[in-house]
Amino acid sequence: DVKVTQSSRYLVKRTGEKVFLECVQDMDHENMFWYRQDPGLGLRLIYFSYDVKMKEKGDIPEGYSVSREKKERFSLILESASTNQTSMYLCASSFLSGNFGNTIYFGEGSWLTVV
Amino acid sequence: AQKVTQAQTEISVVEKEDVTLDCVYETRDTTYYLFWYKQPPSGELVFLIRRNSFDEQNEISGRYSWNFQKSTSSFNFTITASQVVDSAVYFCALRGNSGGSNYKLTFGKGTLLTVNP
Repeated sequence: DVKVTQSSRYLVKRTGEKVFLECVQDMDHENMFWYRQDPGLGLRLIYFSYDVKMKEKGDIPEGYSVSREKKERFSLILESASTNQTSMYLCASSFLSGNFGNTIYFGEGSWLTVV
Repeated sequence: AQKVTQAQTEISVVEKEDVTLDCVYETRDTTYYLFWYKQPPSGELVFLIRRNSFDEQNEISGRYSWNFQKSTSSFNFTITASQVVDSAVYFCALRGNSGGSNYKLTFGKGTLLTVNP
């Protein structure tokens, strides 16, 4: 089974703190993604990466950065957390080449509260 | 631009009833994939099914079935004899093959299904 593991399920951080959300996948997937989920807005793509050290902006990259130093690990960074970044964050991964319809697999989610 | 519409925000049924979740999509891509995901209260998005645009054959898997109709741009999901464990938010999603759409899923807003005992 595909396993996408997010390091923290629940976090509470203060405004202005630097926040790291870590994600690891064990299926040798090239693609990795960070989504944000909010009530009434659904899931929105923040950033994705198709290879080590490669990244592309998604629909809502403002206020976020990412890091992909190893193929299996994709980190989401909030440089200076703000209350409007309180949300559920979902990491995902998939294969890249050939079949673009390859299924995207998700982690359990990280609930971040910024106070 | 791609769009996925799940018109039903919430559905509530009694156990053993059948329930159909609607999904309508828009895309200009000639080749695309459609997905259904389940999100239980624990939060994880669980992959249920993938369908490509060339394959309109409907599928049944246990109590689940999917009806893909390209003519109406719909990909509906039916649960037969619903159970309390089916209670979750269900998302329909689309992945295209052109330009910027070939790497990401476009999600509907989700349908909250509550199955009461």
